[in-house]
Amino acid sequence: EAQVTQNPRYLITVTGKKLTVTCSQNMNHEYMSWYRQDPGLGLRQIYYSMNVEVTDKGDVPEGYKVSRKEKRNFPLILESPSPNQTSLYFCASSGRRGRADTQYFGPGTRLTVL
Amino acid sequence: GQNIDQPTEMTATEGAIVQINCTYQTSGFNGLFWYQQHAGEAPTFLSYNVLDGLEEKGRFSSFLSRSKGYSYLLLKELQMKDSASYLCAVGMNSGGYQKVTFGTGTKLQVIP
Repeated sequence: EAQVTQNPRYLITVTGKKLTVTCSQNMNHEYMSWYRQDPGLGLRQIYYSMNVEVTDKGDVPEGYKVSRKEKRNFPLILESPSPNQTSLYFCASSGRRGRADTQYFGPGTRLTVL
Repeated sequence: GQNIDQPTEMTATEGAIVQINCTYQTSGFNGLFWYQQHAGEAPTFLSYNVLDGLEEKGRFSSFLSRSKGYSYLLLKELQMKDSASYLCAVGMNSGGYQKVTFGTGTKLQVIP
């Protein structure tokens, strides 16, 4: 089954404790992206990647890191989480070269930073 | 930068037609998307407009006017399961690739 998976689905952590949210897709897609979704602010792009070893900042990259060592995986790293990073996070992928249309979204990761 | 506006909330009656508008201002525009998102779930793709005009897909249609920076999503024969948020998103050229920015979404409530 074609899908985007994220882990964990739910996470409660404390300020400053490094964490990684994994994202994997099995559709051989080149484009992958991370978003956060907050009430009243909608979906905001954190980072995106057009291909292996090609990443770029989205609209809200501060406090986050990403890597794209393999085509299928695009982990999101929070080196020192803070309470303002409490949010719902979505990973997405798209198969059209150089384009972000028809993005397939993962199920979401609800992160709480205390 | 980009500015995307859509109504925050709308209410419509089961069986009726509803139109959700989206206006945008952007440079390097290269497409407009609509996604549906049920509460607590991931967004799912509905439509993608690149050229001006109406694209019809079953009960859902999407319209684009690039000169006016305007799009709408038309939902016909509303069903209770159409209660969801509808996200307008704009694509723009970014260094030879496409970057997508989402609006804040329109929460549609379908009532009996």
